[in-house]
Amino acid sequence: DAGVTQSPTHLIKTRGQQVTLRCSPKSGHDTVSWYQQALGQGPQFIFQYYEEEERQRGNFPDRFSGHQFPNYSSELNVNALLLGDSALYLCASSPGWGYRGEQYFGPGTRLTVT
Amino acid sequence: DAKTTQPTSMDCAEGRAANLPCNHSTISGNEYVYWYRQIHSQGPQYIIHGLKNNETNEMASLIITEDRKSSTLILPHATLRDTAVYYCIVRLRYSGGGADGLTFGKGTHLIIQP
Repeated sequence: DAGVTQSPTHLIKTRGQQVTLRCSPKSGHDTVSWYQQALGQGPQFIFQYYEEEERQRGNFPDRFSGHQFPNYSSELNVNALLLGDSALYLCASSPGWGYRGEQYFGPGTRLTVT
Repeated sequence: DAKTTQPTSMDCAEGRAANLPCNHSTISGNEYVYWYRQIHSQGPQYIIHGLKNNETNEMASLIITEDRKSSTLILPHATLRDTAVYYCIVRLRYSGGGADGLTFGKGTHLIIQP
């Protein structure tokens, strides 16, 4: 049973550029959440996708957007990158709308903005 | 979600039981206690959850006090690989209005000493 996978593992971008991160959920899960984790901090919720729509959003600007595909995989897009966007980006999956139980996380993508 | 309080850090000798406390005095009757851990630079890993009764799985045991205002995660025979930040999260298991992201506090940094 494949767990949550993310790509790429590491990424280096320049300020002002755009980046796309990818996530495949755990088998049987249809809901994908994205988190940002700055160095030394706990993960912060960005948004959640279910049935190809953004359903919930944390306190992040519109520069952060996403997409979910019919196979439940998801992308996180960040435009106009800032130095402060440097972080570990985590994807988590869970089963079903309204389920607030355990989430399963991927290994993360380490984004460095220079 | 109920607020939780955890010690900032703890040490434990390898091979001994590690007992990690969590206070959640404002927990409501239908909120569950969840534990996650995050090994350095990896994604958080779900460990265990419980409502009222004590729970045990292959990773850990969860002891919830009778008044449910606190709980203890027990790693019965700690190894060096258990060195991680441990997060206690209290929340409902289901929501008719959809689900939002997990709220991670600062957690407890558990250091297993050889």
